Amino acid sequence: QTVVTQEPSLTVSPGGTVTLTCASSTGAVTSGYYPNWFQQKPGQAPRALIYSTSNKHSWTPARFSGSLLGGKAALTLSGVQPEDEAEYYCLLYYGGAQQVFGGGTKLTVL
Amino acid sequence: EVQLVQSGAEVKKPGESLKISCKGSGYSFTSYWIGWVRQMPGKGLEWMGIIYPGDSDTRYSPSFQGQVTISADKSISTAYLQWSSLKASDTAMYYCVRRDYSGSYSNFDYWGQGTLVTVSS
Repeated sequence: QTVVTQEPSLTVSPGGTVTLTCASSTGAVTSGYYPNWFQQKPGQAPRALIYSTSNKHSWTPARFSGSLLGGKAALTLSGVQPEDEAEYYCLLYYGGAQQVFGGGTKLTVL
Repeated sequence: EVQLVQSGAEVKKPGESLKISCKGSGYSFTSYWIGWVRQMPGKGLEWMGIIYPGDSDTRYSPSFQGQVTISADKSISTAYLQWSSLKASDTAMYYCVRRDYSGSYSNFDYWGQGTLVTVSS
């Protein structure tokens, strides 16, 4: 069974920079896994942030960026705002429309 | 404006059947995949499966194969997730999400608001 691993929790100061990562149990994450990133705040539906590694949606704030880093997918927040406190999920594609979510990273802004 | 509007919350008993819906609007419903995602109370997101309403091509996560049925009625731009016999462990929030896919990208962009399913005797 494929497992996608994210940091369970991270803490960042307002105005700081933080990188969240997303690793696959099958090996290095490449662009062919089409990494997607989502933000979810309590009581809300997830919101899409990044698709296919590094592409932003029209509503994605400029401080969010996606990349591949050391064999993982990565989401970097630069100039973190208090409203960025949320759970973040990555989603990887394994072919045949098969997708697997990471366990999520709880980001605290403190 | 693209929207995915899901059906309302449901309270069911174990063993009962259920079908929840996700209606798309503001785009060509048959040109995008619709996926279903489970979120159990206090837990993370789980991928359940996906359907392409254009030809009803349906793929299930191995964890959900045989447990649920995904379908779509393109005449009314609506996708469905159904259970034939609910269990207490099916209690969760269920989301639908649109997927735009080509050979060079996979983009999950719009999400439904979620349908809360509660299964309790």
